[in-house]
Amino acid sequence: DAGITQSPRYKITETGRQVTLMCHQTWSHSYMFWYRQDLGHGLRLIYYSAAADITDKGEVSDGYVVSRSKTENFPLTLESATRSQTSVYFCASTGRGGTTGELFFGEGSRLTVL
Amino acid sequence: GQQVMQIPQYQHVQEGEDFTTYCNSSTTLSNIQWYKQRPGGHPVFLIQLVKSGEVKKQKRLTFQFGEAKKNSSLHITATQTTDVGTYFCAGGTGANNLFFGTGTRLTVIP
Repeated sequence: DAGITQSPRYKITETGRQVTLMCHQTWSHSYMFWYRQDLGHGLRLIYYSAAADITDKGEVSDGYVVSRSKTENFPLTLESATRSQTSVYFCASTGRGGTTGELFFGEGSRLTVL
Repeated sequence: GQQVMQIPQYQHVQEGEDFTTYCNSSTTLSNIQWYKQRPGGHPVFLIQLVKSGEVKKQKRLTFQFGEAKKNSSLHITATQTTDVGTYFCAGGTGANNLFFGTGTRLTVIP
């Protein structure tokens, strides 16, 4: 049972470069989420998706783009990375709608923007 | 906007002492979830509370949801070194988002 996997686990990039973080889940969960975790801020929602081809912005979506052409994949793209986007990014999924479902998190992707 | 505040931010306890973290929302919640994140790890779901005044127990952990559904607490009795980590509450409002608290980082001194 592979669950939910993220790649890369670690990434160092430079300001202005495009970066894509991958997320793949094997449970066929409808809902997928991207969070960023920064000290003192907890987990903040970047984007979420209720199903393939349905995505919506979270509270900190500026500078990020997502797509969901297949149920199992939910990549997150930083179009032009900035230092403020240095963070740990977590992908999560749940099979239940709204906020009543237990979230299953990936291992995280630690991104450093120089 | 929606805010979920969590206190304390840090807590150091001697092994065997009790520990409590509190979560407060600016608005009424439909449910609240609790997660634990070990150092270097990812958040792992602990429990969900839905009903006003609900209390749930998991071994040494007791979770409460306030009568007004705006606050919650997690209490650990007789902490052990395995309890080390950051505990997050996450409040649901009915929409497709959970608002996470800032977390309480627990250190247990052997």
